[in-house]
Amino acid sequence: NAGVTQTPKFQVLKTGQSMTLQCAQDMNHEYMSWYRQDPGMGLRLIHYSVGAGITDQGEVPNGYNVSRSTTEDFPLRLLSAAPSQTSVYFCASSRAVQETQYFGPGTRLLVL
Amino acid sequence: GEDVEQSLFLSVREGDSSVINCTYTDSSSTYLYWYKQEPGAGLQLLTYIFSNMDMKQDQRLTVLLNKKDKHLSLRIADTQTGDSAIYFCAEIRNTPLVFGKGTRLSVIA
Repeated sequence: NAGVTQTPKFQVLKTGQSMTLQCAQDMNHEYMSWYRQDPGMGLRLIHYSVGAGITDQGEVPNGYNVSRSTTEDFPLRLLSAAPSQTSVYFCASSRAVQETQYFGPGTRLLVL
Repeated sequence: GEDVEQSLFLSVREGDSSVINCTYTDSSSTYLYWYKQEPGAGLQLLTYIFSNMDMKQDQRLTVLLNKKDKHLSLRIADTQTGDSAIYFCAEIRNTPLVFGKGTRLSVIA
């Protein structure tokens, strides 16, 4: 049981580039979410999904897209990276929305 | 929406007790959580309390919940240097978890 995995661990992008942050879980969890963590801001929800084929916006969705074609995977796409998207990104999953969430190790993204 | 509030810093001596406080916003929150984040790592669930409980104890950790004041606290007994981390409280609202900004606990040897 690997839990929640995220790739890559680190990434440097230039402004305007696009990329996909990968998140996968092997716990058959229905609920998955993406957060970003910035100094002094805590964790802010970007997007979440309550099951395959269903996604919704969180607190800070602008500049990010998600899809949930399978239960296991929940990729986060940056369409045109901006320096304001420099952050640490965490993916989380749980059996349901109101159950304990398990976090991945995070992806550190630097946009120059 | 309204914020989940935590003090940003706490410093204690090794062996003392630490108390980290949190004020949450939604009286209908069903679960309240404490997560721990060590430097450079992800979030690790420490403990949680269901809203119909006043207290939960788990080894060195004690969680107290005051629903009237929407106040949650985490007490760590016999604090060790390995407890140095950022501690986040979080509440479940209608949708996903809402986190406080985190309390950075520094343990002085």
